[in-house]
Amino acid sequence: DAGVTQSPTHLIKTRGQQVTLRCSPKSGHDTVSWYQQALGQGPQFIFQYYEEEERQRGNFPDRFSGHQFPNYSSELNVNALLLGDSALYLCASSQDRFSPLHFGNGTRLTVT
Amino acid sequence: GENVEQHPSTLSVQEGDSAVIKCTYSDSASNYFPWYKQELGKRPQLIIDIRSNVGEKKDQRIAVTLNKTAKHFSLHITETQPEDSAVYFCAASKRGNKLVFGAGTILRVKS
Repeated sequence: DAGVTQSPTHLIKTRGQQVTLRCSPKSGHDTVSWYQQALGQGPQFIFQYYEEEERQRGNFPDRFSGHQFPNYSSELNVNALLLGDSALYLCASSQDRFSPLHFGNGTRLTVT
Repeated sequence: GENVEQHPSTLSVQEGDSAVIKCTYSDSASNYFPWYKQELGKRPQLIIDIRSNVGEKKDQRIAVTLNKTAKHFSLHITETQPEDSAVYFCAASKRGNKLVFGAGTILRVKS
Protein backbone atom coordinates (compact mmCIF):
# COMPACT_ATOMS: atom_id res chain seq x y z
CA ASP A 1 0.00 0.00 0.00
CA ALA A 2 1.69 3.17 -1.22
CA GLY A 3 1.68 6.07 1.16
CA VAL A 4 1.50 9.72 0.15
CA THR A 5 3.68 10.32 -2.89
CA GLN A 6 4.99 13.67 -4.07
CA SER A 7 6.80 14.80 -7.19
CA PRO A 8 9.30 16.06 -7.96
CA THR A 9 11.59 15.45 -4.98
CA HIS A 10 13.78 18.45 -5.73
CA LEU A 11 13.29 21.54 -7.84
CA ILE A 12 15.35 24.64 -8.59
CA LYS A 13 13.63 27.73 -9.96
CA THR A 14 14.50 31.36 -10.60
CA ARG A 15 12.78 34.34 -8.98
CA GLY A 16 9.62 35.31 -10.85
CA GLN A 17 9.03 31.85 -12.30
CA GLN A 18 6.06 29.61 -11.60
CA VAL A 19 6.12 26.10 -10.16
CA THR A 20 3.68 23.18 -9.88
CA LEU A 21 4.07 20.47 -7.27
CA ARG A 22 2.10 17.23 -7.30
CA CYS A 23 0.72 14.90 -4.68
CA SER A 24 -1.04 11.54 -4.69
CA PRO A 25 -2.80 10.72 -1.43
CA LYS A 26 -2.64 7.46 0.42
CA SER A 27 -5.13 4.86 -0.79
CA GLY A 28 -8.51 5.42 0.87
CA HIS A 29 -7.82 9.07 1.67
CA ASP A 30 -9.89 11.84 0.09
CA THR A 31 -8.58 14.96 1.84
CA VAL A 32 -5.29 16.62 0.92
CA SER A 33 -3.48 19.37 2.82
CA TRP A 34 -0.35 21.29 1.88
CA TYR A 35 2.26 22.61 4.29
CA GLN A 36 5.40 24.71 3.85
CA GLN A 37 8.38 23.86 6.04
CA ALA A 38 11.22 26.37 6.09
CA LEU A 39 14.61 25.15 7.27
CA GLY A 40 14.69 24.64 11.02
CA GLN A 41 10.99 25.40 11.50
CA GLY A 42 7.75 23.53 11.90
CA PRO A 43 5.41 23.03 8.95
CA GLN A 44 2.99 25.88 8.20
CA PHE A 45 -0.49 25.19 6.84
CA ILE A 46 -1.10 26.48 3.32
CA PHE A 47 -4.52 25.03 2.43
CA GLN A 48 -6.71 21.94 2.43
CA TYR A 49 -8.70 20.34 -0.38
CA TYR A 50 -11.72 18.12 -0.05
CA GLU A 51 -14.25 17.20 -2.74
CA GLU A 52 -12.18 19.17 -5.25
CA GLU A 53 -12.62 22.44 -3.38
CA GLU A 54 -10.39 24.51 -1.14
CA ARG A 55 -11.90 24.15 2.34
CA GLN A 56 -9.46 25.95 4.61
CA ARG A 57 -6.58 28.31 3.96
CA GLY A 58 -3.65 29.53 6.02
CA ASN A 59 -1.91 32.91 5.89
CA PHE A 60 -0.42 32.58 2.44
CA PRO A 61 -0.81 35.08 -0.44
CA ASP A 62 -2.87 34.44 -3.55
CA ARG A 63 0.35 33.49 -5.36
CA PHE A 64 -0.23 30.10 -3.76
CA SER A 65 -3.06 28.19 -5.37
CA GLY A 66 -4.09 24.61 -5.67
CA HIS A 67 -6.32 22.06 -7.24
CA GLN A 68 -7.74 18.67 -6.39
CA PHE A 69 -8.69 16.20 -9.09
CA PRO A 70 -11.53 13.65 -9.10
CA ASN A 71 -9.04 10.89 -8.18
CA TYR A 72 -8.17 12.95 -5.03
CA SER A 73 -4.66 13.82 -6.23
CA SER A 74 -3.66 17.44 -5.84
CA GLU A 75 -1.40 20.16 -7.20
CA LEU A 76 0.14 23.16 -5.52
CA ASN A 77 0.98 26.10 -7.77
CA VAL A 78 3.14 29.04 -6.77
CA ASN A 79 3.41 32.06 -9.08
CA ALA A 80 5.96 34.87 -9.14
CA LEU A 81 8.42 32.94 -6.99
CA LEU A 82 10.36 34.80 -4.31
CA LEU A 83 13.59 33.78 -2.62
CA GLY A 84 11.57 33.32 0.58
CA ASP A 85 9.51 30.60 -1.06
CA SER A 86 12.50 28.27 -0.79
CA ALA A 87 11.35 25.49 1.52
CA LEU A 88 10.24 21.90 1.82
CA TYR A 89 6.65 21.57 0.62
CA LEU A 90 4.80 18.77 2.32
CA CYS A 91 1.60 17.17 1.19
CA ALA A 92 -0.51 15.31 3.73
CA SER A 93 -3.59 13.19 3.22
CA SER A 94 -6.27 11.94 5.55
CA GLN A 95 -9.40 9.81 5.48
CA ASP A 96 -11.47 12.91 6.09
CA ARG A 97 -11.09 16.45 7.40
CA PHE A 98 -10.87 15.28 11.01
CA SER A 99 -8.59 12.24 10.81
CA PRO A 100 -4.83 12.16 11.45
CA LEU A 101 -2.56 13.43 8.70
CA HIS A 102 -0.13 11.21 6.81
CA PHE A 103 2.70 13.16 5.22
CA GLY A 104 4.63 12.59 2.03
CA ASN A 105 8.40 12.99 1.77
CA GLY A 106 8.01 16.49 0.38
CA THR A 107 9.38 18.52 -2.50
CA ARG A 108 12.46 20.58 -1.78
CA LEU A 109 12.07 23.88 -3.70
CA THR A 110 15.04 26.18 -4.09
CA VAL A 111 14.49 29.64 -5.57
CA THR A 112 17.62 31.41 -6.82
CA GLY B 1 -4.50 33.26 15.53
CA GLU B 2 -3.45 30.04 17.17
CA ASN B 3 0.12 29.87 18.39
CA VAL B 4 2.03 26.84 19.67
CA GLU B 5 5.25 27.22 21.64
CA GLN B 6 7.57 24.25 22.10
CA HIS B 7 10.42 23.73 24.56
CA PRO B 8 13.25 22.91 24.67
CA SER B 9 14.60 23.56 21.18
CA THR B 10 17.32 20.94 21.73
CA LEU B 11 17.50 18.08 24.20
CA SER B 12 20.37 15.68 24.82
CA VAL B 13 19.85 12.59 26.97
CA GLN B 14 21.81 9.47 27.75
CA GLU B 15 20.53 6.23 26.30
CA GLY B 16 18.04 4.69 28.71
CA ASP B 17 17.06 8.00 30.28
CA SER B 18 13.67 9.69 29.82
CA ALA B 19 12.98 12.70 27.61
CA VAL B 20 10.21 15.26 28.06
CA ILE B 21 9.13 17.86 25.52
CA LYS B 22 6.57 20.51 26.42
CA CYS B 23 4.18 22.58 24.33
CA THR B 24 1.81 25.43 25.11
CA TYR B 25 -1.09 26.50 22.91
CA SER B 26 -2.94 29.78 22.85
CA ASP B 27 -6.43 28.95 21.60
CA SER B 28 -8.60 27.32 24.25
CA ALA B 29 -10.84 25.95 21.48
CA SER B 30 -8.07 23.60 20.31
CA ASN B 31 -9.18 20.01 20.71
CA TYR B 32 -6.65 17.80 18.91
CA PHE B 33 -2.94 17.50 19.74
CA PRO B 34 -0.68 15.23 17.65
CA TRP B 35 3.06 14.67 17.92
CA TYR B 36 5.24 14.05 14.87
CA LYS B 37 8.76 12.66 14.59
CA GLN B 38 10.88 13.79 11.65
CA GLU B 39 14.21 12.17 10.90
CA LEU B 40 16.72 14.00 8.74
CA GLY B 41 15.51 14.20 5.15
CA LYS B 42 12.36 12.20 5.87
CA ARG B 43 8.66 12.85 6.24
CA PRO B 44 7.04 13.82 9.54
CA GLN B 45 5.52 10.68 11.05
CA LEU B 46 2.69 10.67 13.54
CA ILE B 47 3.83 8.95 16.74
CA ILE B 48 0.95 9.68 19.10
CA ASP B 49 -2.02 11.99 19.38
CA ILE B 50 -4.55 13.01 22.02
CA ARG B 51 -7.94 14.66 21.96
CA SER B 52 -9.21 17.17 24.47
CA ASN B 53 -11.56 14.73 26.21
CA VAL B 54 -8.59 12.65 27.38
CA GLY B 55 -5.90 13.62 29.89
CA GLU B 56 -3.25 11.04 29.10
CA LYS B 57 -2.46 8.46 26.44
CA LYS B 58 0.30 5.85 26.29
CA ASP B 59 1.77 3.73 23.53
CA GLN B 60 4.65 1.54 24.71
CA ARG B 61 7.54 3.89 25.57
CA ILE B 62 5.70 7.02 24.49
CA ALA B 63 3.07 8.95 26.45
CA VAL B 64 1.33 12.29 26.03
CA THR B 65 -0.35 14.31 28.78
CA LEU B 66 -2.78 17.19 28.32
CA ASN B 67 -3.66 19.95 30.79
CA LYS B 68 -6.55 21.87 29.26
CA THR B 69 -6.74 24.39 32.10
CA ALA B 70 -3.12 25.40 31.66
CA LYS B 71 -3.27 24.90 27.87
CA HIS B 72 -0.20 22.77 27.70
CA PHE B 73 0.65 19.22 26.65
CA SER B 74 3.79 17.15 26.91
CA LEU B 75 5.49 14.21 25.23
CA HIS B 76 7.27 11.69 27.42
CA ILE B 77 9.67 9.11 26.01
CA THR B 78 11.00 6.51 28.44
CA GLU B 79 14.03 4.23 28.06
CA THR B 80 15.34 6.30 25.15
CA GLN B 81 17.27 4.58 22.39
CA PRO B 82 19.63 5.98 19.73
CA GLU B 83 16.92 5.52 17.09
CA ASP B 84 14.74 7.98 19.01
CA SER B 85 17.13 10.74 17.85
CA ALA B 86 15.14 13.03 15.55
CA VAL B 87 13.22 16.32 15.47
CA TYR B 88 9.91 16.17 17.32
CA PHE B 89 7.04 18.53 16.54
CA CYS B 90 3.92 19.15 18.57
CA ALA B 91 0.81 20.56 16.94
CA ALA B 92 -2.65 21.77 17.86
CA SER B 93 -5.89 22.03 15.95
CA LYS B 94 -9.36 23.40 16.60
CA ARG B 95 -10.86 22.89 13.16
CA GLY B 96 -10.47 19.41 11.88
CA ASN B 97 -6.94 18.56 10.86
CA LYS B 98 -5.66 22.07 10.06
CA LEU B 99 -2.60 21.85 12.29
CA VAL B 100 -0.54 24.62 13.89
CA PHE B 101 2.93 23.26 14.62
CA GLY B 102 5.51 24.15 17.21
CA ALA B 103 9.04 25.04 16.13
CA GLY B 104 10.39 21.58 16.91
CA THR B 105 12.75 19.93 19.39
CA ILE B 106 15.98 18.26 18.29
CA LEU B 107 16.38 15.17 20.46
CA ARG B 108 19.82 13.56 20.67
CA VAL B 109 20.17 10.24 22.45
CA LYS B 110 23.79 9.53 23.34
CA SER B 111 24.91 5.92 23.54
